[in-house]
Amino acid sequence: LAKTTQPISMDSYEGQEVNITCSHNNIATNDYITWYQQFPSQGPRFIIQGYKTKVTNEVASLFIPADRKSSTLSLPRVSLSDTAVYYCLVGDKNSGGYQKVTFGTGTKLQVIP
Amino acid sequence: DTEVTQTPKHLVMGMTNKKSLKCEQHMGHRAMYWYKQKAKKPPELMFVYSYEKLSINESVPSRFSPECPNSSLLNLHLHALQPEDSALYLCASSQRIAGGLVNEQFFGPGTRLTVL
Repeated sequence: LAKTTQPISMDSYEGQEVNITCSHNNIATNDYITWYQQFPSQGPRFIIQGYKTKVTNEVASLFIPADRKSSTLSLPRVSLSDTAVYYCLVGDKNSGGYQKVTFGTGTKLQVIP
Repeated sequence: DTEVTQTPKHLVMGMTNKKSLKCEQHMGHRAMYWYKQKAKKPPELMFVYSYEKLSINESVPSRFSPECPNSSLLNLHLHALQPEDSALYLCASSQRIAGGLVNEQFFGPGTRLTVL
């Protein structure tokens, strides 16, 4: 499985847009890119998933360049409640009925009032 | 119901004890996972069950014994654990969608385990 590299931490003021970049140089052809959010003492929560170009949902956007060696999670107008650890994962979306992914080190986002 | 439940929330056990962690989901997911998460570290995959059969064992010590009695339940039996096994144990499930693809994983809140 491709290894991912993310910044260890980031700070942002409330109301700003936050972009977290993830590097995955060895991504395989079948791999999808997924982002999870985790609050302290809770399980991770799915944010967004994509394969190429741009994906947008109600909470975030995911930008993936043509070479797919990196991706950027964009959170519009963050609030204090967005303070959490954000994990970038790559893995095969179809693996015989289950999904095997490896969590990277994660980025701790601190939103400041 | 889009929830994965785990019991107990907290567990303290001695090194000679036998205990079990339980996980339940009623979303019809046929893949279930156990992860271990140490403080300030990412979750690490331990086991994967697909259609109630063990599909992945990430070289986990035998003092951890998983069981999947049916499509909604996943257990993790613990015996003769070590203090370094203290961690947050997370259960997750995922579904197969159209075209045979597997989508996101839904995680439970975890069981905080302390081994004395």
